[in-house]
Amino acid sequence: AQSVAQPEDQVNVAEGNPLTVKCTYSVSGNPYLFWYVQYPNRGLQFLLKYITGDNLVKGSYGFEAEFNKSQTSFHLKKPSALVSDSALYFCAVTVLQKLVFGTGTRLLVSP
Amino acid sequence: DSGVTQTPKHLITATGQRVTLRCSPRSGDLSVYWYQQSLDQGLQFLIQYYNGEERAKGNILERFSAQQFPDLHSELNLSSLELGDSALYFCASSPATSGGLNEQFFGPGTRLTVL
Repeated sequence: AQSVAQPEDQVNVAEGNPLTVKCTYSVSGNPYLFWYVQYPNRGLQFLLKYITGDNLVKGSYGFEAEFNKSQTSFHLKKPSALVSDSALYFCAVTVLQKLVFGTGTRLLVSP
Repeated sequence: DSGVTQTPKHLITATGQRVTLRCSPRSGDLSVYWYQQSLDQGLQFLIQYYNGEERAKGNILERFSAQQFPDLHSELNLSSLELGDSALYFCASSPATSGGLNEQFFGPGTRLTVL
């Protein structure tokens, strides 16, 4: 089935350190990939997307993601984590014009 | 604030009942999407409407139905409710017809509890 996988339920990182939230995809053809973030008691917010072009995509709040076709990955990164980045992060892929979300990764940034 | 509004915020009801969730998209957005978020199923796409017409269907049960009105607001109707329907229901909107390429703007959700 065409999908995305987020292998880590939770990622812990200290404030100021770089963070990576992993996502791999399984899609036939060219994937359209997204990252969304969900803060407690809020809806999802769009962070960034990859449709085509440059493999390094820059998004909101200092986040970026790297599309790697050979590894079928689209990991979310940030050079320096903030406590306020603590949230639930979802990777998603377009399948037949519908968004299919991963299971989510909880990011916990400690002071 | 995404500009997408959902009412009510919370809904508590009993098994077998019927409820209606309401969504108002961002000004100018023609597409509305409904999602269900639960602990066991994760975040699942239910259905999309574009300018009043059903555009795409996901894992939506036959007991559930939706519609989009001429003023572009949308309603999700859930009937014969079961305990397993307890979840957070999100509405999202986007300007265009294809949710595949464009970012979606999510509302704050309606938390449904079925007792």
